[in-house]
Order: sequence, then C-alpha cells, then structure tokens
Amino acid sequence: GQQLNQSPQSMFIQEGEDVSMNCTSSSIFNTWLWYKQDPGEGPVLLIALYKAGELTSNGRLTAQFGITRKDSFLNISASIPSDVGIYFCAGSYNFNKFYFGSGTKLNVKP
Amino acid sequence: NAGVTQTPKFQVLKTGQSMTLQCAQDMNHNSMYWYRQDPGMGLRLIYYSASEGTTDKGEVPNGYNVSRLNKREFSLRLESAAPSQTSVYFCASRDSPGQGDNEQFFGPGTRLTVL
Repeated sequence: GQQLNQSPQSMFIQEGEDVSMNCTSSSIFNTWLWYKQDPGEGPVLLIALYKAGELTSNGRLTAQFGITRKDSFLNISASIPSDVGIYFCAGSYNFNKFYFGSGTKLNVKP
Repeated sequence: NAGVTQTPKFQVLKTGQSMTLQCAQDMNHNSMYWYRQDPGMGLRLIYYSASEGTTDKGEVPNGYNVSRLNKREFSLRLESAAPSQTSVYFCASRDSPGQGDNEQFFGPGTRLTVL
C-alpha cells in the first residue's frame, strides 16, 4: 500500500508559538488533505489542496501542496490551547481512495 | 441533521464471533467509507462505496465484508472476529466521487475489542 511518512510524531510547544509539520509520500498524489482529530471523535477536515504548489490558508492554518506532488506541510501560527489534538495528512491519487499519515500529536502549554 | 451516525459505540467480542457495524448518513452523500484506526497509526481504508450499488476494496479488506444497503446506509461485517481486528472503526461519507469536494465527514467511531 501507499506509504505516508508524517513528522514529527509529537510536539510539545508553548502557547503562542508557531508549529510546522509535514508529510511525504512514496507516490504522487492529486489531492492532499489535512485533518484534526480530538480525543474520542472522528477527524475533521481543516484544509484541502488540489494543485501542485498551491498554498491555502484557513485562519491561523496554512498548508502547501508540494511541487513534486509527493509532499505537503501544515503550519499553525500563534498556537492556542484548543489547537491540542492529533493532526493527520491524507492523500489521494484517484479521488476515491484516501491514504492517511500516522499523525502528529500536538500539545500546547498555556 | 445528525451527520454520520455509527452503532454501536463500543463492542466486545470473543474470537470467532460475528457482528455488523452500522453506519448511516443524512446528508444525501453518494460516497461512503469504512476505516480502521489502530493506536499510533492513521486511518486505513477497509472498503468504500463510491455510489449506491457499488463497493470496492481499500487497503485492508481481509476479514471484512460490506453492504451498501441504500444511499443512506453502509454496513461493515466481521464474519469471524480475530484479536487483530481490535481497533476503532470510523465510517465516513462524501458528497460525490471523483474530483471536487473532497471533504469526508466522519462518524464518532465504534471501539471494538476482540478477546
């Protein structure tokens, strides 16, 4: 199956700091997605990317679709306590099957 | 709107028992998905249904069967449960297959333990 490598696995940061995480794939994707999962719940979509090189923002979140189509990154600026959770990247090459990374667990200290 | 609902929320099975996980969505979505999530791992696709009447295998289909009962409902069946199937199972739905709006809406999950 597809291999998605997501890093870092976990992060401990101070409130107000910026956060960066990334995802690399062994194959080319046509879509990159970033999700957040809170404990005991399903993932919720944060940002969707559809074109190589695309840079998209959603409030304090910014994500980019890598130019090689094999990577993507997510930045969170000025983190706040409610940013705590697990962030997943996901990619698809046929718009039907989606492959997920193993997640980045974010902890924010007030 | 309830979105995506899953039943049961929790289940404990003995090895060899069978059960069906239920999923329903009230958003009139065409595509539905079943994933499993193991500790420290991302979601892995078990089966999906791009539209009513069709189903396809995902990454990890072995040991599972699915039924797209109608546009609203997509069930996942374990015929003979094994400890390796202990996991959290998520159902998701999406408006349309193919390129376009890729947002999948996830249910709250079913936590399954197989002893």
